[in-house]
Amino acid sequence: NAGVMQNPRHLVRRRGQEARLRCSPMKGHSHVYWYRQLPEEGLKFMVYLQKENIIDESGMPKERFSAEFPKEGPSILRIQQVVRGDSAAYFCASSPRREYNYGYTFGSGTRLTVV
Amino acid sequence: TQLLEQSPQFLSIQEGENLTVYCNSSSVFSSLQWYRQEPGEGPVLLVTVVTGGEVKKLKRLTFQFGDARKDSSLHITAAQTGDTGLYLCAGERSNFGNEKLTFGTGTRLTIIP
Repeated sequence: NAGVMQNPRHLVRRRGQEARLRCSPMKGHSHVYWYRQLPEEGLKFMVYLQKENIIDESGMPKERFSAEFPKEGPSILRIQQVVRGDSAAYFCASSPRREYNYGYTFGSGTRLTVV
Repeated sequence: TQLLEQSPQFLSIQEGENLTVYCNSSSVFSSLQWYRQEPGEGPVLLVTVVTGGEVKKLKRLTFQFGDARKDSSLHITAAQTGDTGLYLCAGERSNFGNEKLTFGTGTRLTIIP
């Protein structure tokens, strides 16, 4: 049973390009969360999605960032026109249901470097 | 505003010693989770505590949730080099589960052989 799969593991983009980060949740998990971790900092919540629905995007920057979790395929975090400040590790987590929280399974992350 | 403060931020001790890491907040959480993160990897869940005063043991690790569900501690007995890593507490404020987590500032633990 594969865990949460994120790809790519490392992504280098020039300023102004687009970055697309992918997350495949664990089998049977229908809830996906994206977090961002800046160097030497804790994780900051970005967005919570279920299949085809955005449940909570209160942590997403208002511009350039978007997320989706289509009926088929992985969840995508998209960053348009990247800037140096977007350089960070982006982690995806999944969980199976909307009840008592037993904890999340995180992927290994995508490390985005903007040059 | 940082809702969860961890202390110490950095801790370096000799193998075999005991240590305690603290996670404090002025807010009440419905549950609190502890994760360990290795360099280049995602956080790995260690434990979830949900009841005020709850104590959970995981081998040499003991986790406690404060009576008022505002704070937590992680105690490691006879630390080993394999315990080295970044320890993160994370709180959930909803009673419905599957809500966003608020992560603490982290404690970077180094165990010296």
